[in-house]
Amino acid sequence: GQNIDQPTEMTATEGAIVQINCTYQTSGFNGLFWYQQHAGEAPTFLSYNVLDGLEEKGRFSSFLSRSKGYSYLLLKELQMKDSASYLCAVKSGAGSYQLTFGKGTKLSVIP
Amino acid sequence: DTEVTQTPKHLVMGMTNKKSLKCEQHMGHRAMYWYKQKAKKPPELMFVYSYEKLSINESVPSRFSPECPNSSLLNLHLHALQPEDSALYLCASSHHHGGGTNIEQFFGPGTRLTVL
Repeated sequence: GQNIDQPTEMTATEGAIVQINCTYQTSGFNGLFWYQQHAGEAPTFLSYNVLDGLEEKGRFSSFLSRSKGYSYLLLKELQMKDSASYLCAVKSGAGSYQLTFGKGTKLSVIP
Repeated sequence: DTEVTQTPKHLVMGMTNKKSLKCEQHMGHRAMYWYKQKAKKPPELMFVYSYEKLSINESVPSRFSPECPNSSLLNLHLHALQPEDSALYLCASSHHHGGGTNIEQFFGPGTRLTVL
């Protein structure tokens, strides 16, 4: 089966750094995605990790440890517009189109 | 053009109506997806088309009928829906599966469906 866990909600202050964790147990693994979704809007792609380590993209970084079934998304210099849900999603096989999404973490950025 | 478009944006229908949702992309993607998303829940995969052929049907009831007329278009035909089918229906597309890095799915803005 597939199980992806992330915290339901987090709150952080504008200008600060926040780390959103994701743990997964899946029947296969071929990459982990992070998506951002503002309320009522479509998810937008943030990052993709398939090898262990840190991927950095501007204010956003994502880390993966395959042996631990663990990833995190790091957001630096938080802005009010970063208030959104952040979805962790796992692609379970090389030939698979299927993304299994976690329930999402609702991040609230406060002044 | 790096956009997935969906129409209509909002749809209200009765349980006896027949309607269709439309999705279009011009990024040359050969994989297209339908997802259903209920409030405060993650997207749930419904169907996957690969090279215009149905590749995955996640045990979706037959009152939802997908169609892929060509490589740029994806439709979802709706008939005899139930109130619990009310949700945001998201279309997505991606390059064909493989080990490459450009396999992220691009999502459309969704159609918010209300079934009365």
